[in-house]
This record gives sequence, structure tokens and C-alpha cells, in this order.
Amino acid sequence: AQSVTQLGSHVSVSEGALVLLRCNYSSSVPPYLFWYVQYPNQGLQLLLKYTSAATLVKGINGFEAEFKKSETSFHLTKPSAHMSDAAEYFCAVSWITGGGNKLTFGTGTQLKVEL
Amino acid sequence: NAGVTQTPKFQVLKTGQSMTLQCAQDMNHNSMYWYRQDPGMGLRLIYYSASEGTTDKGEVPNGYNVSRLNKREFSLRLESAAPSQTSVYFCASSHPSDNSPLHFGNGTRLTVT
Repeated sequence: AQSVTQLGSHVSVSEGALVLLRCNYSSSVPPYLFWYVQYPNQGLQLLLKYTSAATLVKGINGFEAEFKKSETSFHLTKPSAHMSDAAEYFCAVSWITGGGNKLTFGTGTQLKVEL
Repeated sequence: NAGVTQTPKFQVLKTGQSMTLQCAQDMNHNSMYWYRQDPGMGLRLIYYSASEGTTDKGEVPNGYNVSRLNKREFSLRLESAAPSQTSVYFCASSHPSDNSPLHFGNGTRLTVT
């Protein structure tokens, strides 16, 4: 069964600093990978997705993620954090079913941005 | 364009009571999903419907039932609520392909006392 591990349930950075949120997946074949963001009292919004077209994926709000098959990783980065980036971030993986996109989510990383 | 709409936003139940969570989407998506979110556990799939007329169990289906009423609507029913079902419930929808992103509603916060 596929699984997703997010290292660090809480990450704190200073405004302007690099953001790095870690995600590793367990799968026998390269899966589809996603990053979602959740702001307080809201649903999840798609940040970006990897679908094998390119290993470096750019998303919204300046975020990007790099797929590394050898490391089974899909870490999320942003060069310069902004206060508005404070939210919870979820990595997710899907498997090929031919019927719907059933995502398996990581346990989430709460990002705090400090002045 | 409302996207995915969930009702109610908040609900408090007593143990043993029943209720139905409603979800509707206006994006003409074939696939719909119900997830629950608990602290430190991420989101876990309860049930999904790959297309109108079909439903399947996800990772944590016990204690729940679903109905795909039509292409737009997918409801989740708790027949006899238990405190372990205290959670935030999210409905989502997507196109049926394996790499289609999910579009989420804003959630229903359920407390069972």
C-alpha cells in the first residue's frame, strides 16, 4: 500500500527565509504527487501536482517541488517566506485505479512564519 | 461559481443520534469523495463515488453510509453517532482521471457528545 510521510508536524521560519517542507512517499511505481494548503477554517487548495511531465513543478504563490525518484521524495520549497504563507500543508499521493483519484494524505505540516 | 458546497458548517450530536451531511458540486465532476480530518492524522478517505451510480469504501468506512443522489450531490450519513466520529468532514470532487486534483468544500465540524 502506498503511504506518505511528512517529516516535522510544525515548521517555523522567519519572514524572508527559505521554506522547506519534506515529503517522502512509499510506492513501487512513481505515483502522482500533490501538495495542498489549508488555511484556518477552510478546505484544502491545490498548490501543485507532479504528473511525470517534469521533475521540478511550479505551483501557486511562489511554491515549487522537486520529484526525486532515487530518494522517493517530493519536498516543497519557497525561496522567501511571507506572513501569508502561514497555514497547514499536506502532501498527497494517488494510485492508478481507473476510477476516481483517491488520495492518500500525509499527516500535515503546520508552517509558522515569524517577523 | 460556488464549487463544492457542504451543509451544515457545524453540528453537535448526542451519542446515538443520526444525521446526514450534504455535499453538492457545480463543476460537472464525475467523482466525489468524503474525507475526515483529525489532528495529527491528516485526511482519511471514508467513501468515494467514482461516477454517478457507484460508491465504494475508503480507508475508514465503518459507521458511515453514503448516497450518490445524482451527479451533483453526494451525502454522508451517520446512523448512530459515536464520540469517535467527532471530526471535521470534507467533501471533494474531481474529474475521474488518476491525476486530477480534488476540489474541496469548506468542511463540516461535527462534535458527538
